[in-house]
Amino acid sequence: LAKTTQPISMDSYEGQEVNITCSHNNIATNDYITWYQQFPSQGPRFIIQGYKTKVTNEVASLFIPADRKSSTLSLPRVSLSDTAVYYCLVGDNTGGFKTIFGAGTRLFVKA
Amino acid sequence: GAGVSQSPSNKVTEKGKDVELRCDPISGHTALYWYRQRLGQGLEFLIYFQGNSAPDKSGLPSDRFSAERTGESVSTLTIQRTQQEDSAVYLCASSRYNEKLFFGSGTQLSVL
Repeated sequence: LAKTTQPISMDSYEGQEVNITCSHNNIATNDYITWYQQFPSQGPRFIIQGYKTKVTNEVASLFIPADRKSSTLSLPRVSLSDTAVYYCLVGDNTGGFKTIFGAGTRLFVKA
Repeated sequence: GAGVSQSPSNKVTEKGKDVELRCDPISGHTALYWYRQRLGQGLEFLIYFQGNSAPDKSGLPSDRFSAERTGESVSTLTIQRTQQEDSAVYLCASSRYNEKLFFGSGTQLSVL
């Protein structure tokens, strides 16, 4: 399983765009990149998944460069309710991989 | 059911006692995971069940920890002779084969 590195914490203000970058230098050909969000006292929930280039949904965008050694989760116009821990995961989406979560990035959104 | 259900939501026990935590996954989900999360920390993988395959127990921290799953339904995580360092939130998740995980709200375990 590819190891991931992401910032421990980030601060932002309401209305700003937030970009959280994750490094995964040892990503394998079959690996997908997945992001989860965890609010206090809740289990994580899936945000977005991608393999290459750009993926966008109603919550976020995921940018993956051609070498796939990093990825950036982009949250447009954050609000106070986006304060959470964001986890980046890398794994084989085709072989029943066990999902390993790192320490994640704690995002604090201020008014 | 509509989501992953865990019980109890809170458990307070005395050091040395055994505890059993339950997880009801989403119907039809073949994969089931247990994680431990200490206060302010990330998720620590414990065990993974996939269908009828042998479970991946590589994350269990000691032989005091064990887990079972009946087919593709309920799972129980058992901690024997609990220690204070076992205090944490225990999270269960389920998924269809290799798809995104759905988590329960967890069981907060406090060992006094």
